[in-house]
Amino acid sequence: EIVMTQSPATLSVSPGERATLSCRASQSVSSNLAWYQQKPGQAPRLLIYGASTRATGIPARFSGSGSGTEFTLTISSLQSEDFAVYYCQQYNNWPTTFGGGTKVEIK
Amino acid sequence: EVQLVESGGGLVQPGGSLRLSCAASGFTFSSYEMNWVRQAPGKGLEWVSYISSSGSTIYYADSVKGRFTISRDNAKNSLYLQMNSLRAEDTAVYYCARVRSFVGAFDIWGQGTMVTVSS
Repeated sequence: EIVMTQSPATLSVSPGERATLSCRASQSVSSNLAWYQQKPGQAPRLLIYGASTRATGIPARFSGSGSGTEFTLTISSLQSEDFAVYYCQQYNNWPTTFGGGTKVEIK
Repeated sequence: EVQLVESGGGLVQPGGSLRLSCAASGFTFSSYEMNWVRQAPGKGLEWVSYISSSGSTIYYADSVKGRFTISRDNAKNSLYLQMNSLRAEDTAVYYCARVRSFVGAFDIWGQGTMVTVSS
């Protein structure tokens, strides 16, 4: 099973600042990596798939990069609605696995 | 509107059974692969089970293999999860999630249904 490790566990950022979230896979997952956003009491929402392709309706301030084992989600200028937990997921191998999440909180 | 709506959650005793349902609308259900994903209180996401569009291919997480059964009825636009021999560690919100075509990521999620296993 591929282990996905996200860092940091918590990221404190001021509105308008840039946030950089990391996700590392225990073995290569090519570009088969997705990012999700989850707010309290809500289901996850797909942000990025294929490591760098934004899902439908996702603002351009969200961008993804990386391949192989190292991936990054960048939020260029944090808005109030972006404070949430973010998960990465690899779907290169079964079982598909999720990272433990990064909580982006208001500084 | 593309939508997934789960139902069937509730309180069940250890060793008991429960059947979850996921009703799909707004898209051609029979064309899409589907999954169940769960989230224990205050914890992260855990994939549970996968079923192909026709139902011919099925996968389970080791944690539920032999106890849970995924199925679908394309005529009724519905996905199911039969959960037997439930344990306290199965307590979670259970989400059904659609696989984006040709991609593998989960693009549509239901709102979730809570399953609590406790005596």
